[in-house]
Amino acid sequence: DSGVTQTPKHLITATGQRVTLRCSPRSGDLSVYWYQQSLDQGLQFLIQYYNGEERAKGNILERFSAQQFPDLHSELNLSSLELGDSALYFCASRTGYGYTFGSGTRLTVV
Amino acid sequence: AQSVAQPEDQVNVAEGNPLTVKCTYSVSGNPYLFWYVQYPNRGLQFLLKYITGDNLVKGSYGFEAEFNKSQTSFHLKKPSALVSDSALYFCAVRDAESGGGADGLTFGKGTHLIIQP
Repeated sequence: DSGVTQTPKHLITATGQRVTLRCSPRSGDLSVYWYQQSLDQGLQFLIQYYNGEERAKGNILERFSAQQFPDLHSELNLSSLELGDSALYFCASRTGYGYTFGSGTRLTVV
Repeated sequence: AQSVAQPEDQVNVAEGNPLTVKCTYSVSGNPYLFWYVQYPNRGLQFLLKYITGDNLVKGSYGFEAEFNKSQTSFHLKKPSALVSDSALYFCAVRDAESGGGADGLTFGKGTHLIIQP
């Protein structure tokens, strides 16, 4: 157990639907980072939050949004899902120079 | 902008032989460099990092990496490969001078390491 918790582990949904992925960072970590891993694009940085505030945006689609709550957990919302959104979504948190990743949520859009 | 290149999609090594997985990077400031490993259907596991100091960094499972500033490289090495080392390896970089608190890692596309018995 890395200390970063992601739920659910697997998600199967239909095109056009909306899903929410959840991430709880390691205890005490204020930063949360979201990544998308797909076969053709590798690991792509999506977005970063620090203590509830957005710090950086990467290759995140407009159909995707995220937030970090006062208890520091974060949610990634994916809407109007397309087949190409099928991927493994990771979150990570940071302590000093160390970045710890969760085990990911595998999203399958059918 | 920061970037990482892993020039080999796949590296094949016989068990017991030394292995090298290549990584080059580009950042505008000084780099913080990382290696992660991913086993099938698993998350990313940290192997080692270079922040400052000695250019040779030792990490988990007998892996090490050498930071070479002039060649902007951070190759992952192991003296004697094991079949259990077979996995997907990612190199990542962060600019030490990243501004505005934007300090996420940028990853390479990954290298499949296959150790043959």
